[in-house]
Amino acid sequence: AQSVTQPDIHITVSEGASLELRCNYSYGATPYLFWYVQSPGQGLQLLLKYFSGDTLVQGIKGFEAEFKRSQSSFNLRKPSVHWSDAAEYFCAVVSSGGSYIPTFGRGTSLIVHP
Amino acid sequence: GAGVSQSPSNKVTEKGKDVELRCDPISGHTALYWYRQSLGQGLEFLIYFQGNSAPDKSGLPSDRFSAERTGGSVSTLTIQRTQQEDSAVYLCASSLGVRETQYFGPGTRLLVL
Repeated sequence: AQSVTQPDIHITVSEGASLELRCNYSYGATPYLFWYVQSPGQGLQLLLKYFSGDTLVQGIKGFEAEFKRSQSSFNLRKPSVHWSDAAEYFCAVVSSGGSYIPTFGRGTSLIVHP
Repeated sequence: GAGVSQSPSNKVTEKGKDVELRCDPISGHTALYWYRQSLGQGLEFLIYFQGNSAPDKSGLPSDRFSAERTGGSVSTLTIQRTQQEDSAVYLCASSLGVRETQYFGPGTRLLVL
């Protein structure tokens, strides 16, 4: 069964600092990979996704993620964090064949200090 | 265009009562998912509808949970004889098809007293 691990429950950064949120998955083949953001009181919003091709994908709000097959990772990055980026971030995986049900990580809560 | 909407936004009920949660997906989206998000947890898949196919109910935690989707559009999630452990945020999402980007509603926050 596929699984997703977000090892960091909370991350605190200063505004303007760089950010990396970790996501590791367990699956036999290359899955479809997603990052979603959930701001307080809001629904989840897609930041970016990877299906195939270039392993560095660009998303909205200045975020990017890199798929590394050898490490089974899909880490989310942003070079300079803004206070409005404070939110919960979820990594999700869907198999490219077979089950279409997505598996979500438990989320990483991002705290931004001024 | 309008996004996914859910109602009510908040629901407080007493243990043992039945509740109905509603989801209006984006027009034209054939796939519809229900998830449950408990405090500090990720999203737990509940049920999936795709077009006119039989729904995938593999994530429903007990037979107290059921869902239907009428006319391939609006969906209702029903929880019978609610228990305190049912307290959570229930999220609905729709997409153009399987493995496509999901668009989430704001959720229904359910509190069972």
